Amino acid sequence: DQQVKQNSPSLSVQEGRISILNCDYTNSMFDYFLWYKKYPAEGPTFLISISSIKDKNEDGRFTVFLNKSAKHLSLHIVPSQPGDSAVYFCAASEQAGSYQLTFGKGTKLSVIP
Amino acid sequence: ETGVTQSPTHLIKTRGQQVTLRCSSQSGHNTVSWYQQALGQGPQFIFQYYREEENGRGNFPPRFSGLQFPNYSSELNVNALELDDSALYLCASSGGQAYGYTFGSGTRLTVV
Repeated sequence: DQQVKQNSPSLSVQEGRISILNCDYTNSMFDYFLWYKKYPAEGPTFLISISSIKDKNEDGRFTVFLNKSAKHLSLHIVPSQPGDSAVYFCAASEQAGSYQLTFGKGTKLSVIP
Repeated sequence: ETGVTQSPTHLIKTRGQQVTLRCSSQSGHNTVSWYQQALGQGPQFIFQYYREEENGRGNFPPRFSGLQFPNYSSELNVNALELDDSALYLCASSGGQAYGYTFGSGTRLTVV
């Protein structure tokens, strides 16, 4: 039973446009959500997070939106750059500070110059 | 020392054998977790250690075990290897909260 779902295995976007990566979850106990970025042959790198008490968190070109009633979150990257091409993982935990993260399968983003 | 270092980077083992994977965490990071990432999947939580004690475990059998040492290094041991154990094994350490997790580049284990 997959508790964190990323239903789009891949996404292609033109450079300069917006990239929107989606994530759905089923476990209502999840309280904290994170996005990680992974390049080939490297470990995942933390990108941005959001607590369930918020519906939006911004960090530069990256914004995460959380719709708790729909159990849905999304990552917006504006503007997209070729260096953003990577696999993006959505992850969730039952509390902020928990080290037990449940990951989705990832979405491979390709930003086309 | 900064970063999380894992060794070896690649490993091939035969079914039924035992394997030890190693991780060297950042200095001061007293929490370490291990994840298994099968091909096409997201990382799955195996277990975590805090100050040399296991204090959280995912849905993995007892043949997956670990150790954490005072020098911020840790080990993941897998006994009686099965073909399905073939995966990328990631170590992550933190000195604070989960969003401060630093992942290593992983060990690619192939069981034949």
